[in-house]
Amino acid sequence: GQNIDQPTEMTATEGAIVQINCTYQTSGFNGLFWYQQHAGEAPTFLSYNVLDGLEEKGRFSSFLSRSKGYRYLLLKELQMKDSASYLCAVRDGDYKLSFGAGTTVTVRA
Amino acid sequence: ETGVTQTPRHLVMGMTNKKSLKCEQHLGHNAMYWYKQSAKKPLELMFVYNFKEQTENNSVPSRFSPECPNSSHLFLHLHTLQPEDSALYLCASSQDREGLETQYFGPGTRLLVL
Repeated sequence: GQNIDQPTEMTATEGAIVQINCTYQTSGFNGLFWYQQHAGEAPTFLSYNVLDGLEEKGRFSSFLSRSKGYRYLLLKELQMKDSASYLCAVRDGDYKLSFGAGTTVTVRA
Repeated sequence: ETGVTQTPRHLVMGMTNKKSLKCEQHLGHNAMYWYKQSAKKPLELMFVYNFKEQTENNSVPSRFSPECPNSSHLFLHLHTLQPEDSALYLCASSQDREGLETQYFGPGTRLLVL
């Protein structure tokens, strides 16, 4: 199987920045995905990286540098509504998508 | 607004019951997936269908039986389940199995086996 590791929990205050790292060991690589999942709801797609670089979508950014081993999701200007679980997923050489257990982010006032 | 719907949203069943979960996607996708999500564990891929053909079965016990009558509908038939099968069952779809498109998830069915 594939190993996808990410921190279990992170806590931050409103307006702060949170960086969620993701490490993986897969057979081949065809992209890294980030999903957001609020409690009791479906995961929703946030971003996708397959080439090294930064993908920015509003307050959320995802960065990939395979050569330097950096893979993270950056949440800026945190808001209360950003409290959720953030799932890292990696597509391997066979295009199979494997998920990490998720990072629960709690935003406090 | 997700284009993937699932029914029922909640289900309580005994170990001797037979029930079915239904998933429907309105996105014109060709690939559909069943996942199991247990607390604090990664999403576990159960089954994959691509153009109505099953392409993956990740060692899922036979008490779970999938059915894909067409590209828009996916079922998961349940029988003689165990309490450890209690979890959130998520359906997802994507344009196709090997494309670069992401997967879109339904809201899930919260299953409790007594």
